[in-house]
Amino acid sequence: DSGVTQTPKHLITATGQRVTLRCSPRSGDLSVYWYQQSLDQGLQFLIQYYNGEERAKGNILERFSAQQFPDLHSELNLSSLELGDSALYFCASSLKGMYNEQFFGPGTRLTVL
Amino acid sequence: GIQVEQSPPDLILQEGANSTLRCNFSDSVNNLQWFHQNPWGQLINLFYIPSGTKQNGRLSATTVATERYSLLYISSSQTTDSGVYFCAVEHVGNQFYFGTGTSLTVIP
Repeated sequence: DSGVTQTPKHLITATGQRVTLRCSPRSGDLSVYWYQQSLDQGLQFLIQYYNGEERAKGNILERFSAQQFPDLHSELNLSSLELGDSALYFCASSLKGMYNEQFFGPGTRLTVL
Repeated sequence: GIQVEQSPPDLILQEGANSTLRCNFSDSVNNLQWFHQNPWGQLINLFYIPSGTKQNGRLSATTVATERYSLLYISSSQTTDSGVYFCAVEHVGNQFYFGTGTSLTVIP
């Protein structure tokens, strides 16, 4: 157990809908990262937050947004869902914002029908 | 961006055999980690190794940052070692890239 928690474990929804994925980092970690794992794109970095502020953006679509709250948990919002958004979404956390070991949560499996 | 390539893409081993997995990256990196993704999808930390050599039980890793590669050694492989092994790097601008993965199957 990495200490990073993600909810829900599984999510099934329809095209055009909006969902929110939640992540709680390890105790004491200030950085949260979001990744998407799909069969065709592999594991892709989406976005990083450090102590409530956006630190870096990767391949995150405009339909997706995230935030990190004062208690350091983070949410990833996915809207206007398409079939291609079906994937495993991971959250990771690390102590600091740079040059740090990342620890991954168990992931949320999103299925868009 | 940066290219992160892993080899071999697939590997089948008899239990007890040794193996070496390679991760090549096309530019300087600030960080490198190795992960094992088990059959249930969980990403498990193996090594945080931006440079040098580390060992943990039957596993060891070496990163030669100046030559832009890292190696993961698995000795006396067990069926529980099966899964996909990823290297991941931190590049400039806090960008993170995963390699293409090596799928390992250990047969009894």
